[in-house]
Amino acid sequence: DGGITQSPKYLFRKEGQNVTLSCEQNLNHDAMYWYRQDPGQGLRLIYYSQIVNDFQKGDIAEGYSVSREKKESFPLTVTSAQKNPTAFYLCASSSQGRYNEQFFGPGTRLTVL
Amino acid sequence: GENVEQHPSTLSVQEGDSAVIKCTYSDSASNYFPWYKQELGKGPQLIIDIRSNVGEKKDQRIAVTLNKTAKHFSLHITETQPEDSAVYFCAAFSDYKLSFGAGTTVTVRA
Repeated sequence: DGGITQSPKYLFRKEGQNVTLSCEQNLNHDAMYWYRQDPGQGLRLIYYSQIVNDFQKGDIAEGYSVSREKKESFPLTVTSAQKNPTAFYLCASSSQGRYNEQFFGPGTRLTVL
Repeated sequence: GENVEQHPSTLSVQEGDSAVIKCTYSDSASNYFPWYKQELGKGPQLIIDIRSNVGEKKDQRIAVTLNKTAKHFSLHITETQPEDSAVYFCAAFSDYKLSFGAGTTVTVRA
């Protein structure tokens, strides 16, 4: 099956710990994205990558870091510098082009205790 | 950057009636406008999209209209069914990024 996988589905961490969320795609897409979703709000862009070994900050990058060493993978690290990390995190991917149809993974719900 | 506003935030309709969700955007350079449906605890799913060179697009019971002059676009769902209950997001694409509206929670009453 082609698609985007995120793991784990639920993640619990203690305050002050860094945590890495996994995102893998087998759609052969060049671009990948990380969004944060809070209750009653839309999706806010954290980081995006249009090509391997390159990525850009989105609207709310502070306290997060990413890497893009492989086309299929775009892990997100939530660092202890993120003031309010509890949220639903969504990864997406798209092929390059003028019109950017994005496909989303199932999400990871992070709870910081 | 792009700013997308979406209304209403909640919408309750009787089964069989129509539902309309409206969005406005700020960046005249935006050229692609997708709509996503999100069920509880899941990732958003693309349901329909429209490009900037098209004014209207229809796919069975859903349709989207775009007015580039006024910078607004709308989602229309006809003959609503219980499985249409979900959160719907509009988005606008510019500068290699999608900007999303805050979402509309649609409830279809049986």
